Amino acid sequence: EVQLVESGGGLVQPGGSLRLSCAASGFTFSSYWMSWVRQAPGKGLEWVANIKQDGSEKYYVDSVKGRFTISRDNAKNSLYLQMNSLRAEDTAVYYCASGITTAAFDIWGQGTMVTVSS
Amino acid sequence: EIVMTQSPATLSVSPGERATLSCRASQSVSSNLAWYQQKPGQAPRLLIYGASTRATGIPARFSGSGSGTEFTLTISSLQSEDFAVYYCQQYNNWPVTFGQGTKLEIK
Repeated sequence: EVQLVESGGGLVQPGGSLRLSCAASGFTFSSYWMSWVRQAPGKGLEWVANIKQDGSEKYYVDSVKGRFTISRDNAKNSLYLQMNSLRAEDTAVYYCASGITTAAFDIWGQGTMVTVSS
Repeated sequence: EIVMTQSPATLSVSPGERATLSCRASQSVSSNLAWYQQKPGQAPRLLIYGASTRATGIPARFSGSGSGTEFTLTISSLQSEDFAVYYCQQYNNWPVTFGQGTKLEIK
């Protein structure tokens, strides 16, 4: 079964850091671009970052550039998002997602909640 | 960045009736348009990609059409499980962008 499972969310103070993980199974993780997509409470979806199969290319939405770092470990079938200098507006459910049969996102994790608050 | 605009924000339809949701792109995205369904507390689920191709396991009552800047998602005969929020997404240009969503509610 194709599956993505996120972890690492929680409550953090403004200015703090958090590292999210996404464990992949059921498909050849190393063959696909991977993305993080977030959703603020009661709001829509926002793509955050993505990373090429070998990690050689990484892209970010402007609002997180310089604060967030996406990475992957193909040997561990895992995707990561290091989030530094967190702000209240980063509060959201964070999903890892990918397109394995299409260029759209056909697989999603269940999401992990990040709350930035004092 | 390409702005995706969905209409209406909320659509009230009775079970068994047809629902038509619209999505407009601020510039052409060719046919690189997807539709997702999201229920409360769940991750989005891909319904349609390539503007009109149903994803694996998606019932035939869901259909997509359009190209360029104007797109439509049609649900031919609404079932109780179809009441949810629907998002369109363009993946023609980076960054990929989503519409703000249409909430489909029971009339």
